[in-house]
Amino acid sequence: GAVVSQHPSWVICKSGTSVKIECRSLDFQATTMFWYRQFPKQSLMLMATSNEGSKATYEQGVEKDKFLINHASLTLSTLTVTSAHPEDSSFYICSARVTGPQHFGDGTRLSIL
Amino acid sequence: QKEVEQNSGPLSVPEGAIASLNCTYSDRVSQSFFWYRQYSGKSPELIMSIYSNGDKEDGRFTAQLNKASQYVSLLIRDSQPSDSATYLCAVDLGNTPLVFGKGTRLSVIA
Repeated sequence: GAVVSQHPSWVICKSGTSVKIECRSLDFQATTMFWYRQFPKQSLMLMATSNEGSKATYEQGVEKDKFLINHASLTLSTLTVTSAHPEDSSFYICSARVTGPQHFGDGTRLSIL
Repeated sequence: QKEVEQNSGPLSVPEGAIASLNCTYSDRVSQSFFWYRQYSGKSPELIMSIYSNGDKEDGRFTAQLNKASQYVSLLIRDSQPSDSATYLCAVDLGNTPLVFGKGTRLSVIA
């Protein structure tokens, strides 16, 4: 089946640091990938849709200058949390689909001290 | 606004019982439906897809779809404590990300 690989699994860093998360589709080409954020005991929240070769589409309320998305190839999308602060601490999950279901990466737990 | 509704639970069932999870959706054009399981602290994993009216069985899981009534359900037979998780219903509305419900938390009591 389709596999989405996400790295790193855990990040702990100081406030003000920028953090990059990678999402790769391993056995298929994904023109579209999705980035979600999930706070403890809350539901998935779609942050943005990443389109290969073009600008990402951000959901309302998500700061595009804060959460930089790059989708430079058909198998790789990156999310950079710029100047991260403690309130950015969360579980970030990428997802990809061609048709049918979405396939999720294992997620990245981000903790900002 | 297109929505997917699920009872948040928790739904508690004894070990060995049938767990029944329900989901309703608002958009009649929806054609594809999915159930995901999410364990605490983990990302969602796909457990069932269903595209046509009726039942679809896969091991202990049965998905049921009724497009006229706009609901889709998931039955888990012989529930095990390891089935305790949040179950997410997702609906395909076309060339967009799937629309997810907020999930139903299932607790299987040993």
